[in-house]
Amino acid sequence: NAGVTQTPKFQVLKTGQSMTLQCAQDMNHEYMSWYRQDPGMGLRLIHYSVGAGITDQGEVPNGYNVSRSTTEDFPLRLLSAAPSQTSVYFCASRSVGLAGGEQYFGPGTRLTVT
Amino acid sequence: DAKTTQPTSMDCAEGRAANLPCNHSTISGNEYVYWYRQIHSQGPQYIIHGLKNNETNEMASLIITEDRKSSTLILPHATLRDTAVYYCIVKGSNYKLTFGKGTLLTVNP
Repeated sequence: NAGVTQTPKFQVLKTGQSMTLQCAQDMNHEYMSWYRQDPGMGLRLIHYSVGAGITDQGEVPNGYNVSRSTTEDFPLRLLSAAPSQTSVYFCASRSVGLAGGEQYFGPGTRLTVT
Repeated sequence: DAKTTQPTSMDCAEGRAANLPCNHSTISGNEYVYWYRQIHSQGPQYIIHGLKNNETNEMASLIITEDRKSSTLILPHATLRDTAVYYCIVKGSNYKLTFGKGTLLTVNP
């Protein structure tokens, strides 16, 4: 199992550019989510999905879009990048169950918007 | 989900037990206590979780008080590689994890 993979590892964008952060998991997990982490802060939830075709907003959704067409993939789109979106982005997945169990995180994408 | 309170930082000597406290006084009956850690710049890593009984796995032990208002994560023999930010999270039946700022544990040689 590769677990949760994220691409790219690093990205630099100019203000106004758009891009898609990729996330994939090979554990057949129903639940997937995106977090951002700013320096010295905890993780904040951007969007999440409980299955293909189902997405919902988290704590900080503005400026981001998601879709979930397959169980494996959960891309995060930045529509018009802003310097405030400079952050480290983590994707996570987990199985849905009675107690939920552990959530698996990817290695992160470090995004800088100039 | 209930909020948690953790110390900002703690130190521990290598080879000694590290005891990380967490207060969650507003926890409700169906909420679990989860612990994750984040080693510098990496994605968070699951450690352990529990409801009301004490739990142990190969990484750590989780001690939850009888009233469930606080818990302690115990790393029995801390190593330098255990230096990380440790997050205590209380989570109910929804799927979302809410991260606070956690405790920076520094293990010293």
